[in-house]
Amino acid sequence: GNSVTQMEGPVTLSEEAFLTINCTYTATGYPSLFWYVQYPGEGLQLLLKATKADDKGSNKGFEATYRKETTSFHLEKGSVQVSDSAVYFCALYNQGGKLIFGQGTELSVKP
Amino acid sequence: DTAVSQTPKYLVTQMGNDKSIKCEQNLGHDTMYWYKQDSKKFLKIMFSYNNKELIINETVPNRFSPKSPDKAHLNLHINSLELGDSAVYFCASSLVGGEEQFFGPGTRLTVL
Repeated sequence: GNSVTQMEGPVTLSEEAFLTINCTYTATGYPSLFWYVQYPGEGLQLLLKATKADDKGSNKGFEATYRKETTSFHLEKGSVQVSDSAVYFCALYNQGGKLIFGQGTELSVKP
Repeated sequence: DTAVSQTPKYLVTQMGNDKSIKCEQNLGHDTMYWYKQDSKKFLKIMFSYNNKELIINETVPNRFSPKSPDKAHLNLHINSLELGDSAVYFCASSLVGGEEQFFGPGTRLTVL
């Protein structure tokens, strides 16, 4: 079946550090892939997406590239800020019309 | 201007009670969803409605009953609340067949 696996959190970084949050998926066909972000006390917001292999999604300095050969969609940011502290969810959209989420990775950025 | 709104934001109740959570979206979307987020932040879909018709019904106890009076509203009624129902419940909406979903702020349900 379809599933998404993210790296375990929490991840703690200093401001301006480089961020990578790993995400791999298992799916039939070629699902669209997403990163959602949940700031404390809020709902999820779409951060970026990619709909086909080799697509790169980007937003607010975050990037992720759809890698079919490694079934991965790792999230990266070159220089994190305190305001990036949140929980990040990788997700895929399957043919059944469902968003399948990873378990979430909590990021804490210290000044 | 709120796109997807939920009420209440917090709900504290005793075991065995019946409660409802309301959701409204003003995005003109046809499809709405309910998700449950557990204490470890794991998020799982419960239901999906498309234009007032149930299209996704995951393995959820019968005590949970969604109701969609119109395509802009999807309410969640829970009977005989149990301790394990404590979680954050999120409503979301999207266009038909749309992959991008817009989430509400969540309702934190605590069952004592």
